[in-house]
Amino acid sequence: AQSVTQLGSHVSVSEGALVLLRCNYSSSVPPYLFWYVQYPNQGLQLLLKYTSAATLVKGINGFEAEFKKSETSFHLTKPSAHMSDAAEYFCAVSDQILVEKLTFGTGTRLTIIP
Amino acid sequence: DAGITQSPRHKVTETGTPVTLRCHQTENHRYMYWYRQDPGHGLRLIHYSYGVKDTDKGEVSDGYSVSRSKTEDFLLTLESATSSQTSVYFCAISESRATRWAGELFFGEGSRLTVL
Repeated sequence: AQSVTQLGSHVSVSEGALVLLRCNYSSSVPPYLFWYVQYPNQGLQLLLKYTSAATLVKGINGFEAEFKKSETSFHLTKPSAHMSDAAEYFCAVSDQILVEKLTFGTGTRLTIIP
Repeated sequence: DAGITQSPRHKVTETGTPVTLRCHQTENHRYMYWYRQDPGHGLRLIHYSYGVKDTDKGEVSDGYSVSRSKTEDFLLTLESATSSQTSVYFCAISESRATRWAGELFFGEGSRLTVL
C-alpha cells in the first residue's frame, strides 16, 4: 500500500521567512502526489498536485512543491511566510491501482511567528 | 465551493448506541469517501464508494458500515458506538479518472462525534 511520511508534526517560522514542509512517499512507481491545507474548523482544500507532468508544481497562495523521484520526496515550500499561512498541511499519495483513493500523511501544523 | 453537506455537524452519544452520519452532494460526482481525523494520525480512510451500491473498505473500517442508495447520499453507520470512535469525520467526493478527474478530493466541513 502507498504511504507518505511527513517529517515534523509542528513547524514554526517567522513571518517573511522560508516555509519548508517535508513529505516522503513510498512507491516503486511514481504516483500522483498532493498537498492539502486545513484551516481551523474547516475541511481540507487542495493546495497543489503532481500528476506526472512538470516536476515543479505551483499551487495557490504562493506555494510550490518539487517532485524528486531519486529522493522519493515531494516537499512543500513558500519563499515568504504570511500570517494567513498558519494552518495544518497534509501530504497525500494516490493508490497505484485506484488513483481516486488517496492516503494522507499525519499532517504538519504550521505556526507563523509575528 | 463544492456542494457537500454533512449532518449532523456535532453529535454527542453514549457507548453502545447506533449513530448514522450523512453526506449529501449536489455535484453528481462518482466517488464518495468517509475519513476520520485524529491527532497524530492525520486522515484515515474508513470506507469509500465508487457508485450507487458499490462500496469498499478503507484502512480503518472495523466497527463501521456504509450505504449508498443514491448518487448524492453516502451514509456512515456506527452500529454500536465506542469511545475509540470519538473523532472528526469528513466526507469527500471526487470525479473518476475516466471522466473529469482532476485528482482533487472535495471535502465537507466535518462532523464531530463524541462517544461518552
